[in-house]
Amino acid sequence: KAGVTQTPRYLIKTRGQQVTLSCSPISGHRSVSWYQQTPGQGLQFLFEYFSETQRNKGNFPGRFSGRQFSNSRSEMNVSTLELGDSALYLCASMSGYEAFFGQGTRLTVV
Amino acid sequence: GESVGLHLPTLSVQEGDNSIINCAYSNSASDYFIWYKQESGKGPQFIIDIRSNMDKRQGQRVTVLLNKTVKHLSLQIAATQPGDSAVYFCAENIAGYSTLTFGKGTMLLVSP
Repeated sequence: KAGVTQTPRYLIKTRGQQVTLSCSPISGHRSVSWYQQTPGQGLQFLFEYFSETQRNKGNFPGRFSGRQFSNSRSEMNVSTLELGDSALYLCASMSGYEAFFGQGTRLTVV
Repeated sequence: GESVGLHLPTLSVQEGDNSIINCAYSNSASDYFIWYKQESGKGPQFIIDIRSNMDKRQGQRVTVLLNKTVKHLSLQIAATQPGDSAVYFCAENIAGYSTLTFGKGTMLLVSP
């Protein structure tokens, strides 16, 4: 079966803009988690959605938000982009406690 | 793709050697642990997991050891191959919570 699909793969945005990233989980998986990966901080948990509801949230400012649709696809949004938001954003499709990751979206803020 | 290995501890080995990658976890309530491998330009891939009621688990060429007393986890890779070169992360989970907490990662470099 198809894996986790994240779009777009690469994105360049300007400070102050907003961005929306998309994730399609593995078919049948209802839980989606988002992580931010940077060289200095490693993988940090952003939030998790299950059946269209945010179930857990990490320690990120309110500029970071997300949602999940009835087909389990998820989007995350970052508003008022800052240079420090440049990172690889990873989506994980969850089966129990096991996470299956997509290839990520590489966001560069200039 | 851009490297995620900057600022990471690095383990360099020769092809055919055995590799041991270590991880210290933080939460004594964690009861499920996973090792992930991340190659350049890709997302992390599951390697092996272990629950806290075990102290050792073996897979194909990989073994995970868990020492709950000192909150330490290790990944052993037998007969390391150039294709094993990647960044390796340990992750911990607490029962009842579906989020994973990741370690900082170790870069493994295998020379032919």
